[in-house]
Amino acid sequence: GIQVEQSPPDLILQEGANSTLRCNFSDSVNNLQWFHQNPWGQLINLFYIPSGTKQNGRLSATTVATERYSLLYISSSQTTDSGVYFCAVTSGTYKYIFGTGTRLKVLA
Amino acid sequence: DAGVTQSPTHLIKTRGQHVTLRCSPISGHKSVSWYQQVLGQGPQFIFQYYEKEERGRGNFPDRFSARQFPNYSSELNVNALLLGDSALYLCASSTTGDTEAFFGQGTRLTVV
Repeated sequence: GIQVEQSPPDLILQEGANSTLRCNFSDSVNNLQWFHQNPWGQLINLFYIPSGTKQNGRLSATTVATERYSLLYISSSQTTDSGVYFCAVTSGTYKYIFGTGTRLKVLA
Repeated sequence: DAGVTQSPTHLIKTRGQHVTLRCSPISGHKSVSWYQQVLGQGPQFIFQYYEKEERGRGNFPDRFSARQFPNYSSELNVNALLLGDSALYLCASSTTGDTEAFFGQGTRLTVV
């Protein structure tokens, strides 16, 4: 089955810094989403982005499907950005396969 | 509009017992999927239902079962609970099951 890997696994930033999170996948995908999991476990939808580029405030994402990767950019990070970021994809089936996650901690 | 709602939010059960978790999808969504997330890992797919039919099943034992009702809400049942079933159980709702998924807040199950 498809493999989804995220990097870096852990990231510590000072408030105000920018960061780039990467998601690599081993096969073609039908759907790709980025989520932020807050400390209470809720998965918050950030982007639905099987291809192309989207922006939402301080966050933006780019998926290059032909090269099998997606990037999530966080600018001017805030302490509320802390948590775990997951990339999830579907590939020929209806189930989402989640990546290994990036644990982000933003320091005040 | 209400998002995906799950109940209960927390649950403590004893080994060998049975548990039922519930999920109400976003209004207009006809597909519900269930995921299990153990500590430190990403969610793992358990089931997907669309229009009350099981569309997919992950690599979970037969102790896990689910169903979807005519109003598109869903139940996940787990029999003969094991300590290893302790996890966050997440429900996802989507229009047809192969589009953007929206997750509920989860049910945190602890088996003692």
